[in-house]
Amino acid sequence: EPEVTQTPSHQVTQMGQEVILRCVPISNHLYFYWYRQILGQKVEFLVSFYNNEISEKSEIFDDQFSVERPDGSNFTLKIRSTKLEDSAMYFCASGWVQETQYFGPGTRLLVL
Amino acid sequence: TQLLEQSPQFLSIQEGENLTVYCNSSSVFSSLQWYRQEPGEGPVLLVTVVTGGEVKKLKRLTFQFGDARKDSSLHITAAQPGDTGLYLCAGAGSGGYNKLIFGAGTRLAVHP
Repeated sequence: EPEVTQTPSHQVTQMGQEVILRCVPISNHLYFYWYRQILGQKVEFLVSFYNNEISEKSEIFDDQFSVERPDGSNFTLKIRSTKLEDSAMYFCASGWVQETQYFGPGTRLLVL
Repeated sequence: TQLLEQSPQFLSIQEGENLTVYCNSSSVFSSLQWYRQEPGEGPVLLVTVVTGGEVKKLKRLTFQFGDARKDSSLHITAAQPGDTGLYLCAGAGSGGYNKLIFGAGTRLAVHP
């Protein structure tokens, strides 16, 4: 069964460094998302991407964040200058229709 | 701001018991998803309900979407230890690209 994959599974970085989190959505899906989950908290929406552009973003998704779909398969989230509070589990999700989203296993980001 | 409240937060039961988990909001959602999440992993989609009053069954799990599309329930019949986990509901708003609003989850423990 097709699934969303994410790399790396874990990332440790120093505050102020740039990180790129990678995702391979399910083939033929049209809608792509990033969510994050701070330890012990709810899963929260960051950004949605459709037709090669951002369709919606949350207040969390400020100028330090960017997303890209550089080719037909990868979907990336870049954090330009990481802060301590960016430490979280980051989930990529994709869907064929808007109502149904399939999540990847996540990347655990730790900012020191 | 759309919010989803899940209850109970924690549930500890014996194998063979029945249980119901609730997901409530004052907002209307265009659809609602139920996920199960294991520690350190991504949410795994169980079901999507779209129509008010809709009932879906997945083996021993029964999902219901409220008539007004503001609430949902998950009922498990004859719970088994393998049902142990964190159950999340997530609602999709209307008119956008359906970012998901997550509840805080119900942590279920089923003891043999």
